[in-house]
Amino acid sequence: DAGITQSPRYKITETGRQVTLMCHQTWSHSYMFWYRQDLGHGLRLIYYSAAADITDKGEVPDGYVVSRSKTENFPLTLESATRSQTSVYFCASSQLAGETQYFGPGTRLLVL
Amino acid sequence: GNSVTQMEGPVTLSEEAFLTINCTYTATGYPSLFWYVQYPGEGLQLLLKATKADDKGSNKGFEATYRKETTSFHLEKGSVQVSDSAVYFCALSGPPSGGSYIPTFGRGTSLIVHP
Repeated sequence: DAGITQSPRYKITETGRQVTLMCHQTWSHSYMFWYRQDLGHGLRLIYYSAAADITDKGEVPDGYVVSRSKTENFPLTLESATRSQTSVYFCASSQLAGETQYFGPGTRLLVL
Repeated sequence: GNSVTQMEGPVTLSEEAFLTINCTYTATGYPSLFWYVQYPGEGLQLLLKATKADDKGSNKGFEATYRKETTSFHLEKGSVQVSDSAVYFCALSGPPSGGSYIPTFGRGTSLIVHP
């Protein structure tokens, strides 16, 4: 009964390093999403996926890469981390478009 | 495009006070409307939702009514508790008739309840 999990929960990295945040859901939901949460900005959508091998950009995709080779996994990669990418990252999933989203516990990323 | 506007916080109340958090939206057609709650250090979780006009969503003493005429989905609770202290997000997901299904969130309203 794991639901949706994210790893790591906390990460400290340095500018220029590549970082991958993992997201795994056990419900076989079709849709998965990545958001970042920052004070003063609320939640901003980075990327989303409607199914395996189908991904699309959200509001703030620059500097991020995603893939979805399996329905249950949706990793987010910061190719070359910058300080402005310091944030809390949330993964979410939903069975169908427009339905309730289920959120993971978040990954707190600090880029030094 | 779609948008959600909710009142700025923080909202500070005493225990047992009445709560209203305003939420208005802009969207084409008939989106589904949601309230999510985020407790400290956690992800968001669904509090309640409504999928068509005049529907009332309710959960844990919270209520919100889908008002198409005023494009609003205000969250209310008759008597708040300290444990209700959290950040509340209003959100919508677009309609099937040509709108976007990508969820749109408000910026969140922090609620602080004092004993």
